[in-house]
Amino acid sequence: EVVLTQSPGTLSLSPGERATLSCRASQRIGSRYLAWYQQKSGQAPRLLMYGGSARATGIPDRFSGSGSGTDFTLTISRLEPEDFAMYYCQQYSTSWTFGQGTKVEIK
Amino acid sequence: EVQLVQSGAEVKKPGESLKISCKGLGYNFTNYWIGWVRQMPGKGLEWMGIIYPGDSDTRYSPSFQGQVTISADKSITTAYLQWSSLEASDSAKYYCARLPSWTGWFDPWGQGTLVTVSS
Repeated sequence: EVVLTQSPGTLSLSPGERATLSCRASQRIGSRYLAWYQQKSGQAPRLLMYGGSARATGIPDRFSGSGSGTDFTLTISRLEPEDFAMYYCQQYSTSWTFGQGTKVEIK
Repeated sequence: EVQLVQSGAEVKKPGESLKISCKGLGYNFTNYWIGWVRQMPGKGLEWMGIIYPGDSDTRYSPSFQGQVTISADKSITTAYLQWSSLEASDSAKYYCARLPSWTGWFDPWGQGTLVTVSS
């Protein structure tokens, strides 16, 4: 099973700051087999990125994804109030697994 | 608009059976895989299994194989997740989601079904 480890567990930032979220895989996966999701409290997850770096429909361009091999990154260039939420990475190279999540909270 | 609409919250006792549903709207239901995901209270996301409604081909996560049954009725564009004997540890929110192909990301997601198992 591919284990995904996200860091940090919690990211405390202010609106307007840049957020950098990490997702590390236990084995190499193709970059096109990685997705990112946002989940707000009490809501279903929402797809942000797929194929490592492609934004889902309606996702603003302040969100970007990058990485390859075992190390992947989700970057939010300037945090908006609505971006404070939980974020999960997911691999779909071998079956499906999710990371444990990174909480982006208001500092 | 593509939507997945899930059945409502359930409260059950240990040992009872349960079947929750996920209705696909706005697309050709038989052509896309549907996945099920568990989220225990305050925890992360766990993939449970997927089904292709076109021919009911089903794959399970090893963690959930034998614990749940996934099925689909393409005539009413609905997928199901069922338990034959619930345990307290099955208390969680369960989401269905569509996959673009048999290997792919999950989008969109249903609104989730909260299952509470308590004596």
